[in-house]
Amino acid sequence: QKEVEQNSGPLSVPEGAIASLNCTYSDRGSQSFFWYRQYSGKSPELIMFIYSNGDKEDGRFTAQLNKASQYVSLLIRDSQPSDSATYLCALTFGGGGNKLTFGTGTQLKVEL
Amino acid sequence: GAVVSQHPSRVICKSGTSVKIECRSLDFQATTMFWYRQFPKKSLMLMATSNEGSKATYEQGVEKDKFLINHASLTLSTLTVTSAHPEDSSFYICSAQKPGTGGDEQYFGPGTRLTVT
Repeated sequence: QKEVEQNSGPLSVPEGAIASLNCTYSDRGSQSFFWYRQYSGKSPELIMFIYSNGDKEDGRFTAQLNKASQYVSLLIRDSQPSDSATYLCALTFGGGGNKLTFGTGTQLKVEL
Repeated sequence: GAVVSQHPSRVICKSGTSVKIECRSLDFQATTMFWYRQFPKKSLMLMATSNEGSKATYEQGVEKDKFLINHASLTLSTLTVTSAHPEDSSFYICSAQKPGTGGDEQYFGPGTRLTVT
């Protein structure tokens, strides 16, 4: 069973703070890693993808991948109330084709 | 960008009828599209992988005769829920894989909310 684990939350952070979202996975053959944001009642929106160990930054978002420790994280700097959503970690793994395996998501609440 | 559309966004149908949902990649060609369903407060469940010009690959437990998938062109995949029943009521979301980006990125459509009465 290929597993992707996320803390369901809710994770509450004050406006302007850094939100840190974490995801661990069980399959060492996992290849590509994605973070999606999903607002209530809406479909997921791709916000970051990362394929290599290390950090990848895009605006206020930074994805961090550590394959040795089997975790991927997402940092959101200067959190805004509009960042309040559920963040889904997803990955593809070797032999699985292009299918995404999703975590159950972490609910983030950015408070004024 | 990578824009994926779905139509209709919302549909209500009577039990026993069939409903067709369209998924289109608007600004890129997608040889592979995926169909998911999502129940309230649950994660996405992959139903099937749709490949242009070939039969769809269904996930275990998904009835291929009930959920008919056609991927007739590089920009269009359709999901038909046949003889729908109230338990088929759900949020159906498609995604399309954008080629040439060096990875496996999937971009999601806005979803179709199906209610079967």
